[in-house]
Amino acid sequence: DSGVTQTPKHLITATGQRVTLRCSPRSGDLSVYWYQQSLDQGLQFLIQYYNGEERAKGNILERFSAQQFPDLHSELNLSSLELGDSALYFCASSPGWTGEGDTEAFFGQGTRLTVV
Amino acid sequence: AQKITQTQPGMFVQEKEAVTLDCTYDTSDPSYGLFWYKQPSSGEMIFLIYQGSYDQQNATEGRYSLNFQKARKSANLVISASQLGDSAMYFCAMREIPGTGGYNKLIFGAGTRLAVHP
Repeated sequence: DSGVTQTPKHLITATGQRVTLRCSPRSGDLSVYWYQQSLDQGLQFLIQYYNGEERAKGNILERFSAQQFPDLHSELNLSSLELGDSALYFCASSPGWTGEGDTEAFFGQGTRLTVV
Repeated sequence: AQKITQTQPGMFVQEKEAVTLDCTYDTSDPSYGLFWYKQPSSGEMIFLIYQGSYDQQNATEGRYSLNFQKARKSANLVISASQLGDSAMYFCAMREIPGTGGYNKLIFGAGTRLAVHP
């Protein structure tokens, strides 16, 4: 058990809909990252939050947004869903930026999103 | 730009033998971190081992060791005494350098699928 909790594990929804994926980081971790894993794109970084603030953005579509709450859990919102958004979405957490960089990063079990 | 290359799409090994999974990386900064993850068929990403660019010794964690050759920019994962449960996808990743805006995000290679045969 990595200590990172993601819900739900599976999600099936129709095109055009909106879903919210939730992540609770490991106790004490301040940084939360979202990744998308698809067959054609591999593992792609989407966005990072550190202690409630957005720190880095990767290949995240404008239809997608995220936030980190005061209790440090994070949500990834996906809207106007398309078939191509079907993927495994991971949340990861790490202690946070110390200037030296984290030596560990633990992933949740992922949310498998299927858009039909 | 930083890049991770895993040139072996698939590997197989006999149970109880050792196997090496290749990973090369490209970066212009002297400070970076390298990670290996295991992804079994169930889908979760399991953190295996970490190597810092300034670490003097190769990292080891149980049956996993990292053969770090800085001059060659390679960070190969060695699994000793393979077990059937080691069958999975393995990903090499590099931590983007703090201070460049990316902080600790990871850049992943395409992965190597390992099959352990009895």
